[in-house]
This record gives sequence, C-alpha cells and structure tokens, in this order.
Amino acid sequence: LAKTTQPISMDSYEGQEVNITCSHNNIATNDYITWYQQFPSQGPRFIIQGYKTKVTNEVASLFIPADRKSSTLSLPRVSLSDTAVYYCLVGASSNDYKLSFGAGTTVTVRA
Amino acid sequence: EAQVTQNPRYLITVTGKKLTVTCSQNMNHEYMSWYRQDPGLGLRQIYYSMNVEVTDKGDVPEGYKVSRKEKRNFPLILESPSPNQTSLYFCASSPGDSRTHYEQYFGPGTRLTVT
Repeated sequence: LAKTTQPISMDSYEGQEVNITCSHNNIATNDYITWYQQFPSQGPRFIIQGYKTKVTNEVASLFIPADRKSSTLSLPRVSLSDTAVYYCLVGASSNDYKLSFGAGTTVTVRA
Repeated sequence: EAQVTQNPRYLITVTGKKLTVTCSQNMNHEYMSWYRQDPGLGLRQIYYSMNVEVTDKGDVPEGYKVSRKEKRNFPLILESPSPNQTSLYFCASSPGDSRTHYEQYFGPGTRLTVT
C-alpha cells in the first residue's frame, strides 16, 4: 500500500467545484488509485477508481497525470450533502490485503 | 439488495464480558475485513480474510479474534472487552481480485461502548 498525503480539510460553498489532491510518490506500476467518501456515523462508500488519465462517473472525476505520482478528485457543483470525509487509497497488488485509510480530507460545504 | 449487514448496531457492555459482532454479506465476496474508527485516528484495520478459513492481522489486532467458517460471514469476537475498545466498528467486503479488491462495500457500523 503506497503512502498517500492529502490535505486535512477544505472549505467550499454550494455550487463550486472542489478539487482534492492526493500525493503518492511511491506508487507502484500495478497500483490503482481509489477514493472513498464517508458521511458522519456511516461506513465509507467507494466513489471512484482509476489507473491513468481521467475517469468520470455520476459522482466525481478523477484526474491522474502521466507520472501518476499524484491524483485529483474533482467534485463538480457541490451541495451541502457533499460535506464528508474523502479518503485516497493507492495500491492493489495481489498481496496487498492490508488497508489503511489514513485521516482523509474533511470537506465542508457551506451555503 | 447487495449489502453488508452488521449486528448489533449499538452495544453497551461491561469490562470482561465476551461479545460477538456479526457481519454478513450477500455478494459472494472473497475478501472481508474489520475496521475500527476513533476520533483523530481514522479507520484502522483489525483483521481481514482473503477467503474461507484464511485470516490475517491488520494494524490493530490485539484484543480481537475473528473466524471465517463460511464465505458470507465474518464475526468479530472480543473475548474480554476493555474500555479502550470503545469505538465505532465497520465490516467491509470486496470481490478480492487485484483491482476490485480496493472497491470495498462497508456495513452500517456498530457503536460499541465498554464500561
């Protein structure tokens, strides 16, 4: 499991785009980048995963540069309900069954 | 509906009284795991299981036991609970192959208080 670094917290307003960058300098060739969202007192929810370039789904977009040493989760036009903790995980080798979520990034969306 | 269920959702118990938190998934997933979440410490993995009868320690296994006798169930056992095991516990499962292994499905959580 590659070590990741992401900001502790971010503030935003409704309707804005939120971009959370995760650094993972020691990412391995076979590693995927996965993001989770967690609301208070709920289990984390998988939101997106990618290997390179760009991935988009109905919730978010994930941008991964060519060197893959960082990635950016983009939440378009956030609402109050997007207030949550967002975790970046990097790994996925066949022997990588031990997972650590770290502290994540607390995103607070204000009206 | 595909889901991970945990029981009980809330539990208050006393020091030393053995307890079991059940976890069940209906997605035929190979991989299951238990986490605890404490303020300021994030999610820490307790134990995980790659398949039936195959389990291994996570980051914080002390004071916990697990078993995986069948694919869908992965109970967490506290033989002699102590107050420092007061926490919010989550069970998770995933298909288990190298890519989807990281696509974990989490249960609703069990809030345990040990007095």
